Amino acid sequence: KQEVTQIPAALSVPEGENLVLNCSFTDSAIYNLQWFRQDPGKGLTSLLLIQSSQREQTSGRLNASLDKSSGRSTLYIAASQPGDSATYLCVLSSARQLTFGSGTQLTVLP
Amino acid sequence: NAGVMQNPRHLVRRRGQEARLRCSPMKGHSHVYWYRQLPEEGLKFMVYLQKENIIDESGMPKERFSAEFPKEGPSILRIQQVVRGDSAAYFCASSPATGTDEQYFGPGTRLTVT
Repeated sequence: KQEVTQIPAALSVPEGENLVLNCSFTDSAIYNLQWFRQDPGKGLTSLLLIQSSQREQTSGRLNASLDKSSGRSTLYIAASQPGDSATYLCVLSSARQLTFGSGTQLTVLP
Repeated sequence: NAGVMQNPRHLVRRRGQEARLRCSPMKGHSHVYWYRQLPEEGLKFMVYLQKENIIDESGMPKERFSAEFPKEGPSILRIQQVVRGDSAAYFCASSPATGTDEQYFGPGTRLTVT
């Protein structure tokens, strides 16, 4: 059974800092890995999708990496902004369902 | 191309009533997934459906919960005789095919049972 762990559970940083969110998983037999953003009271927004055969994806200030051999993914956020404050979810796709991490709650202080 | 649509966005039910949550997948998508997010917890898979078929319902509670995805119309998640513990956000996602394709999420339905 796939288990997904996200560390830290909460993170507070001043505006402008670069930061890294971590995700680890137990079963490397995955189709893809997604990073989502969840804002309070709202739905999920997909940030980056990394296919199983890929090592990383970039979008703007975001960069996500995937290392299946070690069961790890990281989400790097450059030059953080207050608008980045949200909960970030790491989600693994395998077989017919997604397995969600519990999320990292990020607060970027102005 | 409209995204995944869910309605209602907010639903309040008294204990014992029925709740019906609707999900319209993105155009061209024939796969629908339902997830539940209990307060202070992460999202958990409930059920995976294709048109007229339940493919995987391993995450569905054994009683009171059912889901369908008819040939025409939206997918429906039905909760009978709701209890306070059913209060949660219910998210629907759709994809054009299983496996490598990305799932697109709807905004969710927040169910409150009073």
